[in-house]
Amino acid sequence: AQSVAQPEDQVNVAEGNPLTVKCTYSVSGNPYLFWYVQYPNRGLQFLLKYITGDNLVKGSYGFEAEFNKSQTSFHLKKPSALVSDSALYFCAVATDSWGKLQFGAGTQVVVTP
Amino acid sequence: DGGITQSPKYLFRKEGQNVTLSCEQNLNHDAMYWYRQDPGQGLRLIYYSQIVNDFQKGDIAEGYSVSREKKESFPLTVTSAQKNPTAFYLCASEGTRGIQYFGAGTRLSVL
Repeated sequence: AQSVAQPEDQVNVAEGNPLTVKCTYSVSGNPYLFWYVQYPNRGLQFLLKYITGDNLVKGSYGFEAEFNKSQTSFHLKKPSALVSDSALYFCAVATDSWGKLQFGAGTQVVVTP
Repeated sequence: DGGITQSPKYLFRKEGQNVTLSCEQNLNHDAMYWYRQDPGQGLRLIYYSQIVNDFQKGDIAEGYSVSREKKESFPLTVTSAQKNPTAFYLCASEGTRGIQYFGAGTRLSVL
């Protein structure tokens, strides 16, 4: 069985400071890892994905994520947070190249001016 | 939201009533998904369909039904057997490289 953990319900950061949202996963095979973002009362938007290759994945809106196999982590990062980055962030994992994603519970990011 | 249209945006269900949530996509994707979102629980998979006229139960299918008669459409019916239907429902379709594209959601409440 596959599972995803996002250990922080909320992350607070001042605008201009680095932002990190943590994610750890558990799968029986090779993981396909995703980050999505959700703004209030909206659907999820894809940010980035890791399948194989470079451990550092670059995505939309200046976000990046680092795959760490030994720590089974896929933390989302942004060097300088914006107030507009305030949203709910979801990490997800799959063990096939398609579908059946297992989502984490989500982390609310609050960026203050 | 990327070619996925969900309607209505808000829906109210009376006790004992079945209600149907619409999901239409114009992205020409084969695979489509229905998720339920509750606060603090992330997204849970209700049903998914990889191809027309075929669909599979997800993790929480009890009390729900779907059909996939057309590639573009994947409606979800919340039946009277679903005793706790109040939630935010999200439909998605899957494009290349496993990326899912989501609709704006339907918020279902019980009267």
